[in-house]
Amino acid sequence: DAKTTQPTSMDCAEGRAANLPCNHSTISGNEYVYWYRQIHSQGPQYIIHGLKNNETNEMASLIITEDRKSSTLILPHATLRDTAVYYCIVRVAGGNTGKLIFGQGTTLQVKP
Amino acid sequence: EADIYQTPRYLVIGTGKKITLECSQTMGHDKMYWYQQDPGMELHLIHYSYGVNSTEKGDLSSESTVSRIRTEHFPLTLESARPSHTSQYLCASSGQGPNIQYFGAGTRLSVL
Repeated sequence: DAKTTQPTSMDCAEGRAANLPCNHSTISGNEYVYWYRQIHSQGPQYIIHGLKNNETNEMASLIITEDRKSSTLILPHATLRDTAVYYCIVRVAGGNTGKLIFGQGTTLQVKP
Repeated sequence: EADIYQTPRYLVIGTGKKITLECSQTMGHDKMYWYQQDPGMELHLIHYSYGVNSTEKGDLSSESTVSRIRTEHFPLTLESARPSHTSQYLCASSGQGPNIQYFGAGTRLSVL
C-alpha cells in the first residue's frame, strides 16, 4: 500500500473551509484514497473515498490531482465539532482482508 | 450510524485476570478487525478476520487472541492481563466492495 504524508496539525476558523492536504506520490493505479477522522479517541469515522475523480458527499469534498500524487479533503464550513484527527489512507478497494493502515494523521483544530 | 457495538466501554482489572472484550455487528459484514491505540498514538491493527472460522494476526504483535464462530461476533481475549495491556481497543467491520470500515466506540482497558 502507498505511503501517505500529512501535516501534523492545522488550525481553521469556525465557519471557514478547512483544506487538509495529503501526499501519496507512490500511489498505484488501482489504489483509492480514503479519508477517516477520529474525534477525541472515539472510533474512527469514514468520511469519503475516491479513485481519480473529485468526490463530494454530505460531509466533505475530495479533490484528487490529475497525476493522483496528492489530494485535498475539504470541509466547506468547519464547525467546532469538526476538531479531530484526520487520516488519509491509500489502498486498493475490496480484496480479501480490507486492512487499513492508519498513520499519524492531521490534527485539525477548529477555533471560534 | 454504524451498528457495531463494543462492551464494556471501560474496564479496570487486576493483573493476572482473564478478560474478554466483546464486539458485535448487525450489518452482516464478513470482515472484522481489532485495533489497539494508546493515548495520542496511532491505531495499530492487532487481529482481523475475513469470515467465520478465519482469524489472522495484524501488523502489531499482541498477546491477545480472537475467535470468529459467528459472523456477527468477534471477541478478543486476554488470558492473563498485565499493565502493559492498558490501552484502548477498537473493533471495526467492513463489507464487500470499498474498504469502508465502521468502528465501535472502543473499550478502554486499564490493568493495575
